[in-house]
Amino acid sequence: RKEVEQDPGPFNVPEGATVAFNCTYSNSASQSFFWYRQDCRKEPKLLMSVYSSGNEDGRFTAQLNRASQYISLLIRDSKLSDSATYLCVVDAGGTSYGKLTFGQGTILTVHP
Amino acid sequence: GAVVSQHPSWVICKSGTSVKIECRSLDFQATTMFWYRQFPKQSLMLMATSNEGSKATYEQGVEKDKFLINHASLTLSTLTVTSAHPEDSSFYICSATGRGNTEAFFGQGTRLTVV
Repeated sequence: RKEVEQDPGPFNVPEGATVAFNCTYSNSASQSFFWYRQDCRKEPKLLMSVYSSGNEDGRFTAQLNRASQYISLLIRDSKLSDSATYLCVVDAGGTSYGKLTFGQGTILTVHP
Repeated sequence: GAVVSQHPSWVICKSGTSVKIECRSLDFQATTMFWYRQFPKQSLMLMATSNEGSKATYEQGVEKDKFLINHASLTLSTLTVTSAHPEDSSFYICSATGRGNTEAFFGQGTRLTVV
């Protein structure tokens, strides 16, 4: 089983649509959870951290369910500029600060 | 956020030569740096973790004699791909964390093509 597993995608949605990505992780010791976005041939950029209580940043909402080891990202009112690969990222747990495990990524294409 | 600069951003080299990639933290002291590799259409895979002043810890399946990592100062880590082969062609990315800081900051990545 992969340490971090994401929806295979790709997702192809029209502008204005709502799209949801799911992710599961296997390391129960992980403490920090993130969604990154990566544009083609670029480094990943932090989109948002994910907290147990759920958190929202504008059109983006992230949820974490520790019991199920499940993470989600909801994007509302999709924009063309949201087209990218979305990476579910989990830390290694313990004192390995900054050591991250990446999911395989889900490609999102938002079309006019 | 903190700035991590990676150089070069792209490099083409001949098979059998060595290539050095630098990763610098510009405005903080990076106690730990991580080196990742990303093949086309795949996600980032951690290659090794380096702590300032000590030997790097390599992930399973990564040859330490082929991928030499040096982290001699709190602001600089280097990855040298020795005797590069076409199958080493990939996108190499570093990230860094500072003392007591749980967030990792990424460099811009280096696209290596071995011909």
